[in-house]
Amino acid sequence: GAGVSQSPRYKVAKRGQDVALRCDPISGHVSLFWYQQALGQGPEFLTYFQNEAQLDKSGLPSDRFFAERPEGSVSTLKIQRTQQEDSAVYLCASSLYNYEQFFGPGTRLTVL
Amino acid sequence: AQSVTQLDSQVPVFEEAPVELRCNYSSSVSVYLFWYVQYPNQGLQLLLKYLSGSTLVKGINGFEAEFNKSQTSFHLRKPSVHISDTAEYFCAVGFQGAQKLVFGQGTRLTINP
Repeated sequence: GAGVSQSPRYKVAKRGQDVALRCDPISGHVSLFWYQQALGQGPEFLTYFQNEAQLDKSGLPSDRFFAERPEGSVSTLKIQRTQQEDSAVYLCASSLYNYEQFFGPGTRLTVL
Repeated sequence: AQSVTQLDSQVPVFEEAPVELRCNYSSSVSVYLFWYVQYPNQGLQLLLKYLSGSTLVKGINGFEAEFNKSQTSFHLRKPSVHISDTAEYFCAVGFQGAQKLVFGQGTRLTINP
């Protein structure tokens, strides 16, 4: 069956550019999560949706980061005016039951 | 404070030897425990989980883990490793009342022939 998909898999941006990262969750999964994984580190929580409602955005590092899930399915993570410290792998996960999360392959963002 | 600690950043072992990857957590509420594996340039794959019930859980690829509430640990074990087990392993904890997972820093398992 289809798992969580993310696009693009790799993104190179010049400092100051805006980027948009897409996540397609497993069909029927009501919960969707975004995590940021810096090189050599464990994933860190960014934000959480239940259907279209963003219930927790406590992990977003600055107001340059914005996430949406308007129809309760596909989600987009947008980073405005990218900085070098934004370089990381951005992981999306979806969940049907509490806590058991299924991860996509990630988008590796490199900001030059 | 709620936190997750993986005590070893790297663990080298010989093929067919046993291995234990350690994970400890800190929490004042009930927890749900997971181990994920990450191969190069890939996402996280769930190895096993503890939600409730038996404290010894078995997962994929011959791995198992034991939840020890008194020691707040959830160590991962495998009796005999293979070259294909070379990967990064992450312990993750879900804390009751919050949906997110908190991850440890990861342990790089390297298998030597």
